[in-house]
Amino acid sequence: LAKTTQPISMDSYEGQEVNITCSHNNIATNDYITWYQQFPSQGPRFIIQGYKTKVTNEVASLFIPADRKSSTLSLPRVSLSDTAVYYCLVGGPNNNDMRFGAGTRLTVKP
Amino acid sequence: GAGVSQTPSNKVTEKGKYVELRCDPISGHTALYWYRQSLGQGPEFLIYFQGTGAADDSGLPNDRFFAVRPEGSVSTLKIQRTERGDSAVYLCASSQGISPLHFGNGTRLTVT
Repeated sequence: LAKTTQPISMDSYEGQEVNITCSHNNIATNDYITWYQQFPSQGPRFIIQGYKTKVTNEVASLFIPADRKSSTLSLPRVSLSDTAVYYCLVGGPNNNDMRFGAGTRLTVKP
Repeated sequence: GAGVSQTPSNKVTEKGKYVELRCDPISGHTALYWYRQSLGQGPEFLIYFQGTGAADDSGLPNDRFFAVRPEGSVSTLKIQRTERGDSAVYLCASSQGISPLHFGNGTRLTVT
């Protein structure tokens, strides 16, 4: 079974900030949290990875509270092209047990 | 550099036939994963290799499914006596250490 829980779907409008939260209550001490984006007819694509606190890159930020039982992917100023399915995964240093949940289907509207 | 390559991109076969799906991982990646994805679902884990050995094959649905990675690089997923329920996109990913998974674009298998 997947070790994560996410909302099934979210809607947003262009230019808004979108926050998608993932629950991972049973995260292990050595687990990292990684988020992927998937467009139709493509494999998932890496967005961001973190272990604790906050990580930011050119496309997103990842917020992880101290207890690490959840994480929030933040997409600033979304555009129509951000419409996709977003998955969070937790896994150990050797990336074992990398099981996907159902993901969050984000729809960005004009 | 080159990403993960999966061949063929599409495969149509008749019920009962045998199929092989190939994955070329990123050079140097020791970990390789196979997933199966049906429409509207998240990728379903099938098997994970670390080097040449299958470290976790608990996701293989039954004994018709088998995967190999004899030299620790290219992997082949083999499906015997295909059934219509095997129709899906089969995804391959590779990684090294804690690096994120790098996915191919998948093989769309259709069993008629």
